[in-house]
Amino acid sequence: DTEVTQTPKHLVMGMTNKKSLKCEQHMGHRAMYWYKQKAKKPPELMFVYSYEKLSINESVPSRFSPECPNSSLLNLHLHALQPEDSALYLCASSQDRDRVGQPQHFGDGTRLSIL
Amino acid sequence: AQTVTQSQPEMSVQEAETVTLSCTYDTSENNYYLFWYKQPPSRQMILVIRQEAYKQQNATENRFSVNFQKAAKSFSLKISDSQLGDTAMYFCAFMKHVPGGSEKLVFGKGTKLTVNP
Repeated sequence: DTEVTQTPKHLVMGMTNKKSLKCEQHMGHRAMYWYKQKAKKPPELMFVYSYEKLSINESVPSRFSPECPNSSLLNLHLHALQPEDSALYLCASSQDRDRVGQPQHFGDGTRLSIL
Repeated sequence: AQTVTQSQPEMSVQEAETVTLSCTYDTSENNYYLFWYKQPPSRQMILVIRQEAYKQQNATENRFSVNFQKAAKSFSLKISDSQLGDTAMYFCAFMKHVPGGSEKLVFGKGTKLTVNP
């Protein structure tokens, strides 16, 4: 069983819809990440939150909007997505930044399809 | 800039045999961390092994071990007594420090490993 829980597991949405992806961890980690993964490719980092503050935005289009309401929860709000945004979205978490080199723990991902 | 290269897009091995996946990287940092992750068809990224660059001893986790050659910037993964459940995509990753205190993983393109019965 994964310690990082992502919901939903699958999501199909139209280009005009608004939806949200949710990620939750209860390991006491203070850094959380969103990745996008296309088929047969490595994950690509989108956002990093450290102590509930956005610390890295890898020039992600504004149709993706992250939110970190508390240290255990990470959301990714989606609006007006394009077909090329169809992918597996992975969430990960790791211990706080004062402990360098800590591994990231990943969730099972949300398979997103844009019609 | 840090880069990670996995030169073997696909590999196969017979069950119970040993296989080695290669990974090279490029960095100007002296202290850093390297990882191997596996991603089976179930799609979850699972940590296999972690290596601290300032430790000369190679990391091991049960049937998984690494051959870390710091001078050559090489970080290969050896899987002993391969099992069918080892069938997965394997990603080598370098942890990069970012100004502001955060860290990010830089992944290689992956090696698809198939274990045959």
